[in-house]
Amino acid sequence: DAKTTQPTSMDCAEGRAANLPCNHSTISGNEYVYWYRQIHSQGPQYIIHGLKNNETNEMASLIITEDRKSSTLILPHATLRDTAVYYCIVRVSKNNAGNMLTFGGGTRLMVKP
Amino acid sequence: DSGVTQTPKHLITATGQRVTLRCSPRSGDLSVYWYQQSLDQGLQFLIQYYNGEERAKGNILERFSAQQFPDLHSELNLSSLELGDSALYFCASSMSRVGEQYFGPGTRLTVT
Repeated sequence: DAKTTQPTSMDCAEGRAANLPCNHSTISGNEYVYWYRQIHSQGPQYIIHGLKNNETNEMASLIITEDRKSSTLILPHATLRDTAVYYCIVRVSKNNAGNMLTFGGGTRLMVKP
Repeated sequence: DSGVTQTPKHLITATGQRVTLRCSPRSGDLSVYWYQQSLDQGLQFLIQYYNGEERAKGNILERFSAQQFPDLHSELNLSSLELGDSALYFCASSMSRVGEQYFGPGTRLTVT
């Protein structure tokens, strides 16, 4: 699976958009970009994933560059409850075999009042 | 609530002992994954089961073993415990081929 690079930490003002970048310059054509977050010692929470196109769900938007070498997770209106460590993970999705997640250090997002 | 349950929430035991952690996946999910999160190692994949069969192994010690039962719940057995085994142990489950995983609340193991 491709390696990812994320900033160690970021701050965001409550109510503003939080834009979390991820670099995955060695990504292969069949690798997806996944985002998870972990709120203080709770189980990691799936946020969103994508392959080529931008994706949006009720939690966030995922913007993937045309060359797929980087992506940005956008939380449109950050709240204090969005304070967490955000993990960008790149991997191939196989048919229920070997779908383990490889977590890096992630980005510690602090949402401030 | 992810739909994945784990018991117990907390476990305190002594070095050399053996413990069993239990996980019930989301209804309909066939894959179960175990992860360990310690302060110095971060989140690490241990092992995956799919419909009762082992499918992938990560950095799982020989003192650790797991199984998935016909009702799809899974157990992680940790034996000859050492102080360094103190960690959060998470179980996750998934169903689809694209495979987003849903994590349980974890079991916090403290070895004294």
